[in-house]
Amino acid sequence: GENVEQHPSTLSVQEGDSAVIKCTYSDSASNYFPWYKQELGKRPQLIIDIRSNVGEKKDQRIAVTLNKTAKHFSLHITETQPEDSAVYFCAAPGGSYIPTFGRGTSLIVHP
Amino acid sequence: DVKVTQSSRYLVKRTGEKVFLECVQDMDHENMFWYRQDPGLGLRLIYFSYDVKMKEKGDIPEGYSVSREKKERFSLILESASTNQTSMYLCASRVGGRVDTEAFFGQGTRLTVV
Repeated sequence: GENVEQHPSTLSVQEGDSAVIKCTYSDSASNYFPWYKQELGKRPQLIIDIRSNVGEKKDQRIAVTLNKTAKHFSLHITETQPEDSAVYFCAAPGGSYIPTFGRGTSLIVHP
Repeated sequence: DVKVTQSSRYLVKRTGEKVFLECVQDMDHENMFWYRQDPGLGLRLIYFSYDVKMKEKGDIPEGYSVSREKKERFSLILESASTNQTSMYLCASRVGGRVDTEAFFGQGTRLTVV
């Protein structure tokens, strides 16, 4: 099955800084890469995703980049704000179409 | 808005009890999932269901079973609860037949086994 590694496990930044979270995957059949955000005490929700036919996608302050050759994809958050503090999960489906999640990154944005 | 609703937010059960966690979705999704969330371990798949009466084991099925008699409802059963099953349980659903569809999560059930 798919194996997804996510780093770092914890990321602490000052408000206004950028944050980058990276995931690597093992199954070359994976072709869809979503990112979910889970605020404290709430359910995970999709914030951005990317398909394998593009290398980058942006939505305001967040962007995702994909390197299929190296089998890694990254979440970039610019001009971080305290409300960006949350746990972020990446996922990849592999050939089974079932999303395998990374272990999560706890992002802390200090005012 | 898609709604995925889990029957309980918090549960406390005794060791050895049979425990039922219920999940209902209202968007006619084919696929449904049960995940377990533990600090540092992320979201681990217990069971999933492609459609009604269909179920497949995930990565950590031991000690659990599931039931999907109706499309909208997916139940997770702990046959004999143990303290190592104390955890947050998340249900999710999504449109079937495609890999690139969003998974919608329930609010979670925090289960404590004493």
